[in-house]
Parts: sequence; structure tokens; C-alpha cells
Amino acid sequence: AQKITQTQPGMFVQEKEAVTLDCTYDTSDPSYGLFWYKQPSSGEMIFLIYQGSYDQQNATEGRYSLNFQKARKSANLVISASQLGDSAMYFCAMRSTGTASKLTFGTGTRLQVTL
Amino acid sequence: GAGVSQSPSNKVTEKGKDVELRCDPISGHTALYWYRQSLGQGLEFLIYFQGNSAPDKSGLPSDRFSAERTGGSVSTLTIQRTQQEDSAVYLCASSLAVAGVRYEQYFGPGTRLTVT
Repeated sequence: AQKITQTQPGMFVQEKEAVTLDCTYDTSDPSYGLFWYKQPSSGEMIFLIYQGSYDQQNATEGRYSLNFQKARKSANLVISASQLGDSAMYFCAMRSTGTASKLTFGTGTRLQVTL
Repeated sequence: GAGVSQSPSNKVTEKGKDVELRCDPISGHTALYWYRQSLGQGLEFLIYFQGNSAPDKSGLPSDRFSAERTGGSVSTLTIQRTQQEDSAVYLCASSLAVAGVRYEQYFGPGTRLTVT
């Protein structure tokens, strides 16, 4: 069975600072993908970044980067230069070839960016 | 282009009534998914469709829940004899393909269902 664990229910960061949101996962499948989604108060899920299990380099998308440590089964999201608009819920999710197409989500981390 | 759309955005119903939730995926996306998000929780997979293949219903919580996808496009999630524990946000998503792990899913704004 797959499992995603996000141990930080809430995080605070000052504007312009960097923040790391933790995510650990568990799967027995050798091929899998890890995703991060942002959910602002409007409710819509916004895709941020993807990391494949066989990717040699950590994924980056603008101010988002993924600190992928395969041996530790962790896929932490790093947001650099935080902005007030980054305040939202952040979900880590996983999909593996052994579970067809569904995404398995963690419980999320609520990030609050302060002045 | 247009994103995933869902209707209604909000639905309040009485316990015991049936409800239908609609999802219009992104044009050209062959895969469609339904998830449920209870208050303060992550997303729970319900069902997915891919083309003309039999849907994966493994996430449906009870036989009161069913879904169909007509013409490979629009999908309807039906909840019969609603219960208060069905209150949640129901999210629909679509993606380009099912095979492989790479394809991200694009989500709609959700339908907030409240059962009184």
C-alpha cells in the first residue's frame, strides 16, 4: 500500500524567506512519481512540481524546487523568496505504476506567509 | 483553453435525498478522476475513467455512490440516499493519459456538498 506523510500541519514564514515543507512516502513500487499541489482558500488544486523516481536531478519550477532523497523516501518542497500569495494548503501526492492512475495524497501543510 | 469545470459549486441537500454532481474535463484529456475532500483532510480517491475501459471504482465508499462518463467527456457522480457523512468537497480532475506516472492531473474548483 502507498502512503504519504506530511508531519507539519502548519508553518509560518516571513515574506522573502525560504521555507521547506516536508513529505515522506512509502511504496514498494520501483517506478513512481511525486507531485506537489497548492490549494488556496478558493479551493482549487494547483499543480506545482513533479519528480519521477528515476529522475537524476531534483525538479525545479521557478521558485519551487523539490529536495528528493530517494533512500530516505522524502520529497520535500522548497519555496524560495516567499510571497504573501503563497499562503495556502500544500499537498504532497504520489502515483505509482502499481496503483493505476490514482493519486495518493498526504494530509497537507497550511503555510502562512507573514510580513 | 478552458480548465476543468464542475457544477454546481455548492449543493445543500436533505439527508436521504439523491444528488448528482457534474464534471466537464479539459478537452482532449482522456482520463477523468473523482476525489473527495472532507473538512481539514487530504483528498480521497473515489473513481477514475480512461477512454472506453472499465472504470476503476476501488475508492467508492459504498454502493450509494456511482459515476458514469458519457461519450468519453462529461462525467456525473451520483450519491443516493445521502448521509451527513457524505458532506465534503467533491473534486474532479482530468489528465492527458493514464499510462505512466508523469502526467499531472488538473483539478476543477470542486462541488461543496452539505447534507443536513
